[in-house]
Amino acid sequence: AQTVTQSQPEMSVQEAETVTLSCTYDTSENNYYLFWYKQPPSRQMILVIRQEAYKQQNATENRFSVNFQKAAKSFSLKISDSQLGDTAMYFCAFMKPPTGNQFYFGTGTSLTVIP
Amino acid sequence: NAGVTQTPKFQVLKTGQSMTLQCAQDMNHNSMYWYRQDPGMGLRLIYYSASEGTTDKGEVPNGYNVSRLNKREFSLRLESAAPSQTSVYFCASSSIRGHGYTFGSGTRLTVV
Repeated sequence: AQTVTQSQPEMSVQEAETVTLSCTYDTSENNYYLFWYKQPPSRQMILVIRQEAYKQQNATENRFSVNFQKAAKSFSLKISDSQLGDTAMYFCAFMKPPTGNQFYFGTGTSLTVIP
Repeated sequence: NAGVTQTPKFQVLKTGQSMTLQCAQDMNHNSMYWYRQDPGMGLRLIYYSASEGTTDKGEVPNGYNVSRLNKREFSLRLESAAPSQTSVYFCASSSIRGHGYTFGSGTRLTVV
């Protein structure tokens, strides 16, 4: 079975600074997808960024980028120019295709952006 | 707006009562899921439906039943609620193209 580990239960960052959230995973698969989801206090789960394992280029979405190290099975999320609205729980997730039920979540990192 | 609609948003039940959580998606996704979220444990899969007409157990199915009514709707039923079922429940749907899940807004259920 696949496992996803987020070793930082809580983190904080000053507004406008950069923060990196860590995620490691364990799999014997070669083809898979990785995701970061954001859950603000509203409780809604929001997809932040997605990475396909067969793509070497790291995914970016505006202020959010990942550092995907396939050999090390590491998938960290970097948030640049942190904003108050980034305060949320962040979940790393692994998906094995083709069916979406092979979807595994980490236990989350609670990020607080300090004004 | 397109997405996953989940009802109700909040519910308080007494031990032994039953209830059904409703979920509908309008994105023509084949697969739908029910998760529960508990502090420090992330999201755990209760049941899923890979396609219309099929349902399968996930990691924590005990005490729950599901119905995939049609392609759009996937309901979760608690036949006899227990305090251990106090949690936040999420419905989600996905295509098979690896684009991840689209989640509903969640249901906070408290069993007293």
